Amino acid sequence: EAGVVQSPRYKIIEKKQPVAFWCNPISGHNTLYWYRQNLGQGPELLIRYENEEAVDDSQLPKDRFSAERLKGVDSTLKIQPAELGDSAVYLCASSFIGGNSPLHFGNGTRLTVT
Amino acid sequence: LAKTTQPISMDSYEGQEVNITCSHNNIATNDYITWYQQFPSQGPRFIIQGYKTKVTNEVASLFIPADRKSSTLSLPRVSLSDTAVYYCLVGDMDSNYQLIWGAGTKLIIKP
Repeated sequence: EAGVVQSPRYKIIEKKQPVAFWCNPISGHNTLYWYRQNLGQGPELLIRYENEEAVDDSQLPKDRFSAERLKGVDSTLKIQPAELGDSAVYLCASSFIGGNSPLHFGNGTRLTVT
Repeated sequence: LAKTTQPISMDSYEGQEVNITCSHNNIATNDYITWYQQFPSQGPRFIIQGYKTKVTNEVASLFIPADRKSSTLSLPRVSLSDTAVYYCLVGDMDSNYQLIWGAGTKLIIKP
């Protein structure tokens, strides 16, 4: 099966500029997650979707971050405006709902804000 | 949320069996134990999951004692390609998705 696809793989922007990340989950997975991972640390959950509904966005910095999941499939995470501290790897993951289904991750987008 | 404690780093040699232990003293009744592997520039990859006793798949075994306060990931006959960061997570994915990811264990395999 095709895995979780993320694009772009790398992005370099200047601070105060906007940036967007795209994710295509595994077909049939109705739960989608966005994580942020800083160097040497584990992933940190930003938002979780079940189908098209954001069921947990408590960790999403809503002043500058936004996300959407159109038709319950693809998802986009946006930062506007970006800050130096946003430099990190942004990971998308998907899974089935229930049954303690494991997460399947994409390879992430490495964002560098200069 | 169950917090986990695992060694920051370990090293071993090719062909050896490697055991990585994770401590989770406040594990809840409905919590499962899940291990992920992460290579540089890649997302984490699911390795194995268990609830109690022993689970084995084609890449690893997971040993969970009766009190479930710890678990051990066992990698048989490691190779250089097993060099990665290994994360232990504990939680009930059905009711709480805010699983806490620690820094993981950086495993280095030497020739």
